[in-house]
Amino acid sequence: DAKTTQLTSMDCAEGRAANLPCNHSTISGNEYVYWYRQIHSQGPQYIIHGLKNNETNEMASLIITEDRKSSTLILPHATLRDTAVYYCIVRVPWGGGSNYKLTFGKGTLLTVNP
Amino acid sequence: GAGVSQSPSNKVTEKGKDVELRCDPISGHTALYWYRQRLGQGLEFLIYFQGNSAPDKSGLPSDRFSAERTGESVSTLTIQRTQQEDSAVYLCASSLEVAGELFFGEGSRLTVL
Repeated sequence: DAKTTQLTSMDCAEGRAANLPCNHSTISGNEYVYWYRQIHSQGPQYIIHGLKNNETNEMASLIITEDRKSSTLILPHATLRDTAVYYCIVRVPWGGGSNYKLTFGKGTLLTVNP
Repeated sequence: GAGVSQSPSNKVTEKGKDVELRCDPISGHTALYWYRQRLGQGLEFLIYFQGNSAPDKSGLPSDRFSAERTGESVSTLTIQRTQQEDSAVYLCASSLEVAGELFFGEGSRLTVL
């Protein structure tokens, strides 16, 4: 169970911001939200993760709602190379201690158009 | 090497044959995952190794599938008596115990004729 719900697909114009939503209404207080992307024929690539606060790195920004039931990944200036499947994942505890597991859902196919 | 290494990159086999897929994780990474990705589909979790804990095998689709890991290093995914529906890319990923960021290999593409 991926614990997340995402759009199947979305389009974005090159140079514009891409905002990818994700619902995780059953998330628990200590579970992080992770985003990965998979460009065609490659292995998935880590983008960003967060718990409660908004996060930003060189690739993207992550906005998490106050109730933590949803989040949005923002690519500020999408390029054609950002066309990929974007996966939103909730990291769940597993096996006790500090062990965790990441389960991928179906993701959102983002197509950036020229 | 610096990244996760998988071999073979491509494997074509006949139905009913056994295959072994190998994953060399990043040195020092205690967690190792195997995923399967069929053409045009998302990632399907297969098995998860974390340190010395018993592995989570809940994603293995049948008893034809098994995996082993030697300590915190190499892992082998074995598929016995392969079927055509086993055709997929098999992805391996590793991570540090608590960081959670997964580093993926390029995958092993399996084609069962």
